[in-house]
Amino acid sequence: DVKVTQSSRYLVKRTGEKVFLECVQDMDHENMFWYRQDPGLGLRLIYFSYDVKMKEKGDIPEGYSVSREKKERFSLILESASTNQTSMYLCASSPGGGIRNNEQFFGPGTRLTVL
Amino acid sequence: RKEVEQDPGPFNVPEGATVAFNCTYSNSASQSFFWYRQDCRKEPKLLMSVYSSGNEDGRFTAQLNRASQYISLLIRDSKLSDSATYLCVVNRGGSYIPTFGRGTSLIVHP
Repeated sequence: DVKVTQSSRYLVKRTGEKVFLECVQDMDHENMFWYRQDPGLGLRLIYFSYDVKMKEKGDIPEGYSVSREKKERFSLILESASTNQTSMYLCASSPGGGIRNNEQFFGPGTRLTVL
Repeated sequence: RKEVEQDPGPFNVPEGATVAFNCTYSNSASQSFFWYRQDCRKEPKLLMSVYSSGNEDGRFTAQLNRASQYISLLIRDSKLSDSATYLCVVNRGGSYIPTFGRGTSLIVHP
């Protein structure tokens, strides 16, 4: 079974802090994604990566950055956390290599609260 | 028109009922379509992929209508355990980048 793990289930940070959310997948997937999910807004794509050291902006990248130094690990960074970044953050991976390999496997999510 | 649209519901149905959800998409070049299920406070999980010929998995049937740009999910003989939010996912054009609908809530009651 594919496993996607996230470093924390719950996180509380203060405004202005730098926040790191870590995601690791164990199935050698090419593609990795970071989303946030908010009530009424659904899942929104923040950043994604299709290869090591490669990253692409999603729909809402402002206030975030990412790092993919190793294939299995994709980190989301909030440079200076703000209260409007309080949300559920979900990491996902997909195999890549063709349109039939787009199934996404999700981690359990990190509920981040910024005070 | 939003990229991927779903009726948020909730759809409130008795056990044993048949229920259907539709999802419309705006990019005619999209080639990958999925239904995911998300339980409360859990991550989304793939329910089924949607192929041009349609596909069936037990009580679940998914169809694709390219001409009208929508996909559908039919659930027969609903169970209490089917209560969840169902997310429609369409990939953008020919890419692997997904767009998620906001989900349709299903509540199955005794």
